[in-house]
Amino acid sequence: EPEVTQTPSHQVTQMGQEVILRCVPISNHLYFYWYRQILGQKVEFLVSFYNNEISEKSEIFDDQFSVERPDGSNFTLKIRSTKLEDSAMYFCASSEAGDRTQPQHFGDGTRLSIL
Amino acid sequence: AQTVTQSQPEMSVQEAETVTLSCTYDTSESDYYLFWYKQPPSRQMILVIRQEAYKQQNATENRFSVNFQKAAKSFSLKISDSQLGDAAMYFCAYRSAMSNYQLIWGAGTKLIIKP
Repeated sequence: EPEVTQTPSHQVTQMGQEVILRCVPISNHLYFYWYRQILGQKVEFLVSFYNNEISEKSEIFDDQFSVERPDGSNFTLKIRSTKLEDSAMYFCASSEAGDRTQPQHFGDGTRLSIL
Repeated sequence: AQTVTQSQPEMSVQEAETVTLSCTYDTSESDYYLFWYKQPPSRQMILVIRQEAYKQQNATENRFSVNFQKAAKSFSLKISDSQLGDAAMYFCAYRSAMSNYQLIWGAGTKLIIKP
């Protein structure tokens, strides 16, 4: 069964550094998402992306964050200047369509640790 | 704003027994979608079951079924004949049928299966 893949599985970065988290969505999916889960807290929506532009974003997704689909397969989340509070699990998801009945398929996540 | 509440941080069940995980939500919308996701130690978020709010019939997927009570805004997950592989964090999630694409998540319930 096709899967969403995320790399790396664990990223350790110094505070203030830029970090790029990578995701390869399922190939025929058109909608892409990023979520994060701070340890011990709820999963939180960050952003959704369709047709090469952001379709929705949360308050968390401020100017420090950006997303990009640099080629036909990758979907990246960039954090420009990382802060300690950015430490979390970051999940990428994709769905076949924006139809709300279609489930979002998730990757294994990237654990981001900011030192 | 919509919220999702899972009041059981942890549940345990004997192998082969039945367990019910509770989920309540708050919304002013009449049309929406509800999901249960499973997150095993491998971290991948796996869709277990979904329910459309306009459907009165409770969704069923093999050993997994839901008890959807729209008036009470309750969406519990029943796992029958529990297996060791069912051990995981279980998350309840809500998705609006309006313009939002994001999933809104509960805090999760850790399910322990006793052999």
